[in-house]
Amino acid sequence: DTGVSQDPRHKITKRGQNVTFRCDPISEHNRLYWYRQTLGQGPEFLTYFQNEAQLEKSRLLSDRFSAERPKGSFSTLEIQRTEQGDSAMYLCASSPAGAGNQPQHFGDGTRLSIL
Amino acid sequence: RKEVEQDPGPFNVPEGATVAFNCTYSNSASQSFFWYRQDCRKEPKLLMSVYSSGNEDGRFTAQLNRASQYISLLIRDSKLSDSATYLCVVNIATNAGKSTFGDGTTLTVKP
Repeated sequence: DTGVSQDPRHKITKRGQNVTFRCDPISEHNRLYWYRQTLGQGPEFLTYFQNEAQLEKSRLLSDRFSAERPKGSFSTLEIQRTEQGDSAMYLCASSPAGAGNQPQHFGDGTRLSIL
Repeated sequence: RKEVEQDPGPFNVPEGATVAFNCTYSNSASQSFFWYRQDCRKEPKLLMSVYSSGNEDGRFTAQLNRASQYISLLIRDSKLSDSATYLCVVNIATNAGKSTFGDGTTLTVKP
């Protein structure tokens, strides 16, 4: 399967714990995006990388959230001191760089539940 | 006001019906536009890009009106399998950074 891969698919944890999610983009895509989605809402942008450079971060990304893409391939999203409001689906997407319409391709997501 | 707005529906239509969804966006600098489909508890999947001149893919037709800042999606001869949430997506830059999603319009096609 050469699509976007996310791990884990589900994560249940207690409030206050740290969690880390991983995303493996489509191999030839140098752009990688993280989104968060809650029930009844569309995905909300969190952050975006081009290769290893983090080019944009949403104000939604509080100081408890950090994302990395150290070698320009896979990315990790860490949430520290989780809160109940962090419960959501965390979606990763990737796209090739270049001019013109470049739609993003999504992974299956990681569903986070905070107890 | 949200940057991208959609009528949440739900739209409940019989098989074979034609149904249209609209989406409005607030940023006049928006450059590229897409429709995605999302099934319950699944990831969004690209349905089609939206081009300035309008474009068609089988039973699906997308239109863009830059002057009025809205995008539409028309589904003809709807099938049971078309039941899903349809997300309107707008990018500011042509070589896109972040995408801004609407909250989606839910379609249920009934036999």
